[in-house]
Amino acid sequence: EIQMTQSPSSMSASLGDRITITCQATQDIVKNLNWYQQKPGKPPSFLIYYATELAEGVPSRFSGSGSGSDYSLTISNLESEDFADYYCLQFYEFPRTFGGGTKLEIK
Amino acid sequence: EVMLVESGGGLVKPGGSLKLSCAASGFTFSSYAMSWVRQTPEKRLEWVATISSGGSYTYYPDSVKGRFTISRDNAKNTLYLQMSSLRSEDTAMYYCARHLTADYWGQGTTLTVSS
Repeated sequence: EIQMTQSPSSMSASLGDRITITCQATQDIVKNLNWYQQKPGKPPSFLIYYATELAEGVPSRFSGSGSGSDYSLTISNLESEDFADYYCLQFYEFPRTFGGGTKLEIK
Repeated sequence: EVMLVESGGGLVKPGGSLKLSCAASGFTFSSYAMSWVRQTPEKRLEWVATISSGGSYTYYPDSVKGRFTISRDNAKNTLYLQMSSLRSEDTAMYYCARHLTADYWGQGTTLTVSS
């Protein structure tokens, strides 16, 4: 089973900041990685697929990068609506596995 | 608009059974693999089951294999999850998700396993 280590587990930032969240897999997942945003009381929302591709309707301040076993989500110029939980998912193989999540809070 | 609407959650005693449903609309249901994903009260996400578009292939992680069964009715655009021998650790919000990569999620239905 591929383990996904996501960091940090929580962080605080200010409006306008640029932040980065990382996910490390226990093996090469060949960019088979998605990022999701989750707000309280809502299901996860699709942000980025295949590590770098923005899902439909996602603002361009979100970006994804990485290869091999190391991936990151960057949010530039943080807006109030961006404060939420974020998760990565590897879909290289079954069982699909998620990162432990990052709680992004406003400073 | 893609919509996934789960139902069937509730309170079940340990060892009990329950069947969840997910009604799909806004896309050609029979063309997509579908999955169930759960989120624990601690907010951990776990992939629970996947079924191929035609229903021939299924996948389960070891944590639910032999206890959970995923199925679908393409004529009714509905996905199911039959759960048995339920344990307290199965307590979670259960989401259905489209595709092998979970691009769309429903709003979820809650399962609580407690005596």
